[in-house]
Amino acid sequence: EAQVTQNPRYLITVTGKKLTVTCSQNMNHEYMSWYRQDPGLGLRQIYYSMNVEVTDKGDVPEGYKVSRKEKRNFPLILESPSPNQTSLYFCASSQREPRYNSPLHFGNGTRLTVT
Amino acid sequence: AQKVTQAQTEISVVEKEDVTLDCVYETRDTTYYLFWYKQPPSGELVFLIRRNSFDEQNEISGRYSWNFQKSTSSFNFTITASQVVDSAVYFCALSEAPFNRGSTLGRLYFGRGTQLTVWP
Repeated sequence: EAQVTQNPRYLITVTGKKLTVTCSQNMNHEYMSWYRQDPGLGLRQIYYSMNVEVTDKGDVPEGYKVSRKEKRNFPLILESPSPNQTSLYFCASSQREPRYNSPLHFGNGTRLTVT
Repeated sequence: AQKVTQAQTEISVVEKEDVTLDCVYETRDTTYYLFWYKQPPSGELVFLIRRNSFDEQNEISGRYSWNFQKSTSSFNFTITASQVVDSAVYFCALSEAPFNRGSTLGRLYFGRGTQLTVWP
């Protein structure tokens, strides 16, 4: 089944404790992206990757890191999480970047709470 | 300034009513793409439709229809005879074209979403 898999679904952590949210897709998609969703703010893009070893910043990259060493995986790393990173996170992928008219396939989301 | 504005934060209707969700976008590119996504209460995000800037033909898919008007930079979404299952947050999104200087590659801009509640 074609899908984008994020793990974990729920995560509660403390300020400053490094964490990684994994994202994997099995559709051989070139493009992958991370979004955070906050009430009243909609979806904001954190980072995206147009292919292996190619990543770039979105709207809100501060406090996050990503890597794209393999085509299928695009982990989101929070080196020192803070409470303002409490949010619902979505990973997404598409055949090519959205500017080529490719719709996104989303993972099921990761709800992160930083205390 | 927001590139995609969904001015309606929340809309409530009763089943069988028609409802229109507004989306206004802003871009200097002549080629761009617009999308609508649905987020039901279960939380997943589902692609509904895409439209490129050169195709102003309205589209209908069952009870859903989309009205794209470049003159007003709008891409509105209408649900006819709404049903309880239509209750969701709906997001409009914009992707700008690759061939114009200044466009940011790989970016997809979402509006803040419209929460639609359909009451039985």
